Amino acid sequence: RKEVEQDPGPFNVPEGATVAFNCTYSNSASQSFFWYRQDCRKEPKLLMSVYSSGNEDGRFTAQLNRASQYISLLIRDSKLSDSATYLCVVNSPGAGSYQLTFGKGTKLSVIP
Amino acid sequence: NAGVTQTPKFQVLKTGQSMTLQCAQDMNHEYMSWYRQDPGMGLRLIHYSVGAGITDQGEVPNGYNVSRSTTEDFPLRLLSAAPSQTSVYFCASSLYSGWTSGDNEQFFGPGTRLTVL
Repeated sequence: RKEVEQDPGPFNVPEGATVAFNCTYSNSASQSFFWYRQDCRKEPKLLMSVYSSGNEDGRFTAQLNRASQYISLLIRDSKLSDSATYLCVVNSPGAGSYQLTFGKGTKLSVIP
Repeated sequence: NAGVTQTPKFQVLKTGQSMTLQCAQDMNHEYMSWYRQDPGMGLRLIHYSVGAGITDQGEVPNGYNVSRSTTEDFPLRLLSAAPSQTSVYFCASSLYSGWTSGDNEQFFGPGTRLTVL
């Protein structure tokens, strides 16, 4: 079983749609959780951290369910500029320090 | 701040050649790491460092060496390039190194696209 699994996608949605991405992780000792965004042929950039209480940043809402080891990202009112690959990232204890494990990513295309 | 810089942006090597990918950050970050990204595989950790003089292996360390003589620089050396090392390489840094620390936002460099023939 992969440590971090995401919806394979791709997701093709019209402008204005709401889209949800799901992610599961296998290491119950994982400490912190993130969503990163990666544009085509660019480096990943932090979109938002994910907290147990859930958190919102404008049109983006992230949720964490530790019991189910599940993370989600909801994007409301999709814009063309939201087209990118979304990476679920989990911070887990490694041998000597923490290590980030990245999901393979889910590609989103927002269509006019 | 320039953030995280990587050189070169593109590189073509022949099998058996060696080279060093450069990475530097000017944010005084403790933690630096190297990832490779392959289609369908996601980002995989090669090596990481929690401070000057300290390095450790990640998920896929074979064929790569690193050193961290200063806080700013974290070069990745390919000892004898193989076609399997064709990939996009990202260097990243974050302020904190402890796994119990809160949010450890990773700042990535622009990447090096390496092709080994």
